[in-house]
This record gives sequence, structure tokens and C-alpha cells, in this order.
Amino acid sequence: DTGVSQDPRHKITKRGQNVTFRCDPISEHNRLYWYRQTLGQGPEFLTYFQNEAQLEKSRLLSDRFSAERPKGSFSTLEIQRTEQGDSAMYLCASSLRFGAGEQFFGPGTRLTVL
Amino acid sequence: DQQVKQNSPSLSVQEGRISILNCDYTNSMFDYFLWYKKYPAEGPTFLISISSIKDKNEDGRFTVFLNKSAKHLSLHIVPSQPGDSAVYFCAATPNEKLTFGTGTRLTIIP
Repeated sequence: DTGVSQDPRHKITKRGQNVTFRCDPISEHNRLYWYRQTLGQGPEFLTYFQNEAQLEKSRLLSDRFSAERPKGSFSTLEIQRTEQGDSAMYLCASSLRFGAGEQFFGPGTRLTVL
Repeated sequence: DQQVKQNSPSLSVQEGRISILNCDYTNSMFDYFLWYKKYPAEGPTFLISISSIKDKNEDGRFTVFLNKSAKHLSLHIVPSQPGDSAVYFCAATPNEKLTFGTGTRLTIIP
């Protein structure tokens, strides 16, 4: 399977704990995106990388959130001191084309903060 | 501020008939539009896209129409099949960042 993969698929944590998610994009894709989706809403943009450079961050991405993409391959999204409002599906996507091209999504990581 | 709106949360269509899903946008900077399909417990799957320089794009059973003056796009599925039952998201972008609508749940009735 050469699609976008995400790990873990589900994460349950207690409020105040730190969590880290991983995304492995399609291998030749140099662009990687993180989105968050809550119930009844469409995915909302969080941040994106071109290779290892983080080029844009949404104001949704508070100081408790940090994303990295070392060596321009896989990416991690860390949430520190989780809050109940962080409960959501975290989606990763990758693309190859410059500018507005199709983004291919992974299955997502569902985070539940108790 | 919802820049991309899908005003119909759900739609039921008889198998074999045409499904029409609608989407409106407010941001004039959007110049590329996409439709994604989502099954439960899966990420969105890309269906079809259209650039603002076109008013129609067709791919098999799927056709997207864009009316820039009305800031409206629609997805037509003909003929509808049971496997088309899913949530459909409209998305728009001026660059790298996709802005999604809230989705329309399409149910195809056998």
C-alpha cells in the first residue's frame, strides 16, 4: 500500500497529557499537510510543509501544538497539555503538484481527551 | 466565517438517478475547487477538481460545474450507485491550503 499512513489510528488520553501523532506521506510527495476535523465539520487546515520547511501555520495551531518534518519525509504532530477541546480527528495529507493540486489523505488519528 | 458552504446536510437519491450536490463559496481569491468523498473511519478520497478558468470538468460518472459569477459549484453523479453513499465535501483554495465545507451525506436508495 503506497498511500498516506497515520499512526496511531486511535488515541485516548487524559487531560494534561502530551500526545504525538505520526504521518508517512506518499514517498515522492514533497508537500505534507495537517488538518483537524471535528464532528459535523469539514477538515480545517492546521499547517503544511514543503520538504522539511514549515511554510504556513493556521491560527488554530496554538502554542501547545508543534509539527515537524525532519529530512522532509515523515511528519509528527505533538500536542502538549491536551485539553478536552483537542478531541478531534487529525488528518494528514500529501501532494506532489506545485500550487493547488490534489491532496491525498491518510485515514486519520482520532484523539479523545478525557 | 464559513467561506465554503454546503447547505444540504443530507440527500437521498434513488439508484440509477442523478445525484446533484451543491456548494457555495464567498472568497473571490479561490481559484481551484475540489470534491472529496469520505466513508466512515477513512480519510477523504479525492474525486474530481476544477480550475476557475473552466466551467465544467467531467470524469466518468462525475461532473463538476462551476459558476464563478454566482460563486457556486455542483457535483453531478450519473447514474448513482449504492457505493456512492458517503459524505461529500466541497473544498476550495487559492494556494496550498484547502478550505472545506461541512459536507453532504448522500444516501443512494436501492
